[in-house]
Amino acid sequence: EPEVTQTPSHQVTQMGQEVILRCVPISNHLYFYWYRQILGQKVEFLVSFYNNEISEKSEIFDDQFSVERPDGSNFTLKIRSTKLEDSAMYFCASSEAEATNEKLFFGSGTQLSVL
Amino acid sequence: GENVEQHPSTLSVQEGDSAVIKCTYSDSASNYFPWYKQELGKGPQLIIDIRSNVGEKKDQRIAVTLNKTAKHFSLHITETQPEDSAVYFCAASTTGGGSQGNLIFGKGTKLSVKP
Repeated sequence: EPEVTQTPSHQVTQMGQEVILRCVPISNHLYFYWYRQILGQKVEFLVSFYNNEISEKSEIFDDQFSVERPDGSNFTLKIRSTKLEDSAMYFCASSEAEATNEKLFFGSGTQLSVL
Repeated sequence: GENVEQHPSTLSVQEGDSAVIKCTYSDSASNYFPWYKQELGKGPQLIIDIRSNVGEKKDQRIAVTLNKTAKHFSLHITETQPEDSAVYFCAASTTGGGSQGNLIFGKGTKLSVKP
């Protein structure tokens, strides 16, 4: 069964450093998303991406965040200058073209720890 | 914006019993309601979803019901098995028809099925 893969599974960084979280969406999916889950809290929407541009973003997704699809398979989330409060599990997801915001397939996540 | 409330936060049942998890939503424009299962160390996995033009949907031991008037929807798991133990999330979104909103998740229900 096709799946969304995320690397690394764990990332530890110092406050102020840049991190890049990587995702390989399911190959025939055209909508891509990043969500995050702070320990013990809800899964929160960050950004959606379609046709090489951001479709929608939340208040969390400020100027420190950016997304990119550098090639035909990868989808990345960059945090330019990490803060302690960025510590969370970050999930990438993808969905088929006719199902925006429907039937999202999630990866296993990257646990980001900012020290 | 949309707000999704989920109850209970924890649920413990005996193997073979039924489990019911309930969610309410606030935005009457929401028209898509998925349920996700998250096992330890994994990302959320879609188990069933329902659209607002349907009142009930069933897939083997899992069923979801939707009451649009009351703005609540429920997940029903019958004949529970130990492998059903996980955290279950409900979510709501507005999709299709040119008006789309990202998934808003509930806080999750930790289901424990005791053998």
